[in-house]
Amino acid sequence: SQQGEEDPQALSIQEGENATMNCSYKTSINNLQWYRQNSGRGLVHLILIRSNEREKHSGRLRVTLDTSKKSSSLLITASRAADTASYFCARTNFGNEKLTFGTGTRLTIIP
Amino acid sequence: GAGVSQTPSNKVTEKGKYVELRCDPISGHTALYWYRQSLGQGPEFLIYFQGTGAADDSGLPNDRFFAVRPEGSVSTLKIQRTERGDSAVYLCASSLGQPGDTQYFGPGTRLTVL
Repeated sequence: SQQGEEDPQALSIQEGENATMNCSYKTSINNLQWYRQNSGRGLVHLILIRSNEREKHSGRLRVTLDTSKKSSSLLITASRAADTASYFCARTNFGNEKLTFGTGTRLTIIP
Repeated sequence: GAGVSQTPSNKVTEKGKYVELRCDPISGHTALYWYRQSLGQGPEFLIYFQGTGAADDSGLPNDRFFAVRPEGSVSTLKIQRTERGDSAVYLCASSLGQPGDTQYFGPGTRLTVL
């Protein structure tokens, strides 16, 4: 069963605006990863943030992690039409490498 | 280099039949993972190999599902007596095998059981 939740479930914004997606989880983690998925097929890895990190950047992406609140956020700045996709957070626990995925956020960028 | 590849990309079968799904991991990756994704959901873990052995098979839903990785590279997910509820996209991922390493996913196999 999935033990993470993303919100919102769906988000539509105008091209050029920033998009923020949130992820919550219930147990302690080793790391948390964000993935993008187009058309329900392969997942593309975006960013990995470890439990002792608070923020990471990669291009237009910014990920934060608050382990005290058991939550993470993904910010996409200056959105583009090509950012339209589903975004998932996935976590691993210490001693176990399986990924536990959230339910995903469906992001639509309106040109 | 080449990414994770999966074959076939689509598989349609009839209820009760046997199917095999193949995954070729990234060269040099010792860890290999299988996940299943139903429509509108996030992927769910099935099984994970470290080398040739299954390190964690706790996600396999029942004994109709079995996976092998005999030489520590290619893996085959086998489903016996398929049921309509097995219809999903089956995703394979691989990693370098160290704790916390990034998992890289293949394009998936869409299985439809009629």
